[in-house]
Amino acid sequence: SAVISQKPSRDICQRGTSLTIQCQVDSQVTMMFWYRQQPGQSLTLIATANQGSEATYESGFVIDKFPISRPNLTFSTLTVSNMSPEDSSIYLCSVERLDEQFFGPGTRLTVL
Amino acid sequence: SQQGEEDPQALSIQEGENATMNCSYKTSINNLQWYRQNSGRGLVHLILIRSNEREKHSGRLRVTLDTSKKSSSLLITASRAADTASYFCALDYGGSQGNLIFGKGTKLSVKP
Repeated sequence: SAVISQKPSRDICQRGTSLTIQCQVDSQVTMMFWYRQQPGQSLTLIATANQGSEATYESGFVIDKFPISRPNLTFSTLTVSNMSPEDSSIYLCSVERLDEQFFGPGTRLTVL
Repeated sequence: SQQGEEDPQALSIQEGENATMNCSYKTSINNLQWYRQNSGRGLVHLILIRSNEREKHSGRLRVTLDTSKKSSSLLITASRAADTASYFCALDYGGSQGNLIFGKGTKLSVKP
């Protein structure tokens, strides 16, 4: 398995501000993934983050809104920029190991 | 759509009964994974079943995969109140991205 931590665990933010979510893994991984889970919905992949290259974004998600950093093989950040109430969601990072994906505990974001 | 479809959307049973959840999909997969999400918590990986496997067990969990019918089922035997959660199937289509496509989940309620 993989031990994944996220910071913050939750936050309440004002419209128009930005929040950076951190994801730390206990060992080196090639790919890290960022998901969003809107209230009452399933998970949607935002982007895939590989170390040393730009993140690959899924349809409907753009770098200006969700910039991602991947400075090394155990860490990544996702920024939710210029937030609106529609961005209120749980944001989860995950890693893949031996075909299995493991998820962090999530960051619950509420935008007022 | 590449998303799996879970059935039923919601299930309410008494403690001690068995719970069965199904997941159907439309195109060939590399593997299928089941996850549990307790209310307000992160995702917990339950079982991975590969496309060449038909059945796997883990404790009180039993997962089957029928690739001819493109469906999987998750059986929880002798359910407990602590099993109350949402259960998601996630499809791995393989390829270089490695991301999972999640269904909308089955909300299971086990009454004491």
